[in-house]
Amino acid sequence: SQTIHQWPATLVQPVGSPLSLECTVEGTSNPNLYWYRQAAGRGLQLLFYSVGIGQISSEVPQNLSASRPQDRQFILSSKKLLLSDSGFYLCASCMLDTEAFFGQGTRLTVV
Amino acid sequence: AQSVTQPDIHITVSEGASLELRCNYSYGATPYLFWYVQSPGQGLQLLLKYFSGDTLVQGIKGFEAEFKRSQSSFNLRKPSVHWSDAAEYFCAVGGRGGADGLTFGKGTHLIIQP
Repeated sequence: SQTIHQWPATLVQPVGSPLSLECTVEGTSNPNLYWYRQAAGRGLQLLFYSVGIGQISSEVPQNLSASRPQDRQFILSSKKLLLSDSGFYLCASCMLDTEAFFGQGTRLTVV
Repeated sequence: AQSVTQPDIHITVSEGASLELRCNYSYGATPYLFWYVQSPGQGLQLLLKYFSGDTLVQGIKGFEAEFKRSQSSFNLRKPSVHWSDAAEYFCAVGGRGGADGLTFGKGTHLIIQP
């Protein structure tokens, strides 16, 4: 089965600073990759998905961007963080007609 | 567009009692349905999934769920809960990949009373 690695696990960043969260996948090739954000009481919100290298689709216009430089690498970035970017970020990998596998998440606090 | 509704934000159950978490979905075709569990500060773990076939599916940790097409529901059940079942539970629909990624409900927070 797939293993999803996310890092860092916890991050505290000042407002206006840049962000880079990394996600890598083991155990599969050419997965569909997803970034979700989880805010308290709001469930999981899909931010970006990617069906292949260099192919990124955004679900929600915002202060964040995503990139997929390699088949099994998915990066979430921001040039200038806002307080509202705080949350729990989850990376997921999904092949067609299977369940999604999740990383352990990154807790981001913007101060 | 697909959507998932989990009407109960919080549920409190006594240890040893039975449990049912509700999930209703909206989807344009035959859905793929999932239940995930999340412990505090952790990622999501798959409990069970429905793709096709028998509408009663068994999962890990003694959980089961029943797909009822006529009610657009996929409720999660467990006959006897344990204190370790306290967690956040998410129902999800989709999973065919690409733009049809998983759509989650807002989750149900399960509290177990001793």
